[in-house]
Amino acid sequence: DAGVIQSPRHEVTEMGQEVTLRCKPISGHDYLFWYRQTMMRGLELLIYFNNNVPIDDSGMPEDRFSAKMPNASFSTLKIQPSEPRDSAVYFCASSLAGLETQYFGPGTRLLVL
Amino acid sequence: GDSVTQMEGPVTLSEEAFLTINCTYTATGYPSLFWYVQYPGEGLQLLLKATKADDKGSNKGFEATYRKETTSFHLEKGSVQVSDSAVYFCAYGSSNTGKLIFGQGTTLQVKP
Repeated sequence: DAGVIQSPRHEVTEMGQEVTLRCKPISGHDYLFWYRQTMMRGLELLIYFNNNVPIDDSGMPEDRFSAKMPNASFSTLKIQPSEPRDSAVYFCASSLAGLETQYFGPGTRLLVL
Repeated sequence: GDSVTQMEGPVTLSEEAFLTINCTYTATGYPSLFWYVQYPGEGLQLLLKATKADDKGSNKGFEATYRKETTSFHLEKGSVQVSDSAVYFCAYGSSNTGKLIFGQGTTLQVKP
């Protein structure tokens, strides 16, 4: 079975540009999570969805970040405009239930110059 | 509030040494407990889990026992290999917040 799929795997962009990260969760999973990982701050939960509805976006750092889940098989995380401090690895994860095992994608490595 | 505390890393061991990575948590109720592993350049993957007190999770030679009395879930392996070099994350399911709470991660480096 396919796991969580993320694209692109690597993204290099210039400050001020819009960045869109994409995620396809495991089929049948009702929960989807977006995380950010940096050396300084470790692993941070940005937002999560249940049945395509955003439940908790308290981890979204600022208004430049937005996330959508238009259907059960697709989600996007958008940064507009991007800044160098947004450089990080962004992970998407999905699970059957909120407090159960999360399955992580391979991540998107974002570098903002 | 809800939190997970892991031992500071990095942990450096020689091959075949015994491994312990400590993990303690603050939580109400009986949360499920997890250990995740992240190999270089990859996402996190589940290593093992335990769902109730005194349960022992095990996988790939790693073990951890759910100790409610000490609110701990220490990870152990009797004989580590170079291929075990990775970052290990302890986590639990917080009923207060409805999401998994992760520790800060512990880097393990195993030398031949």
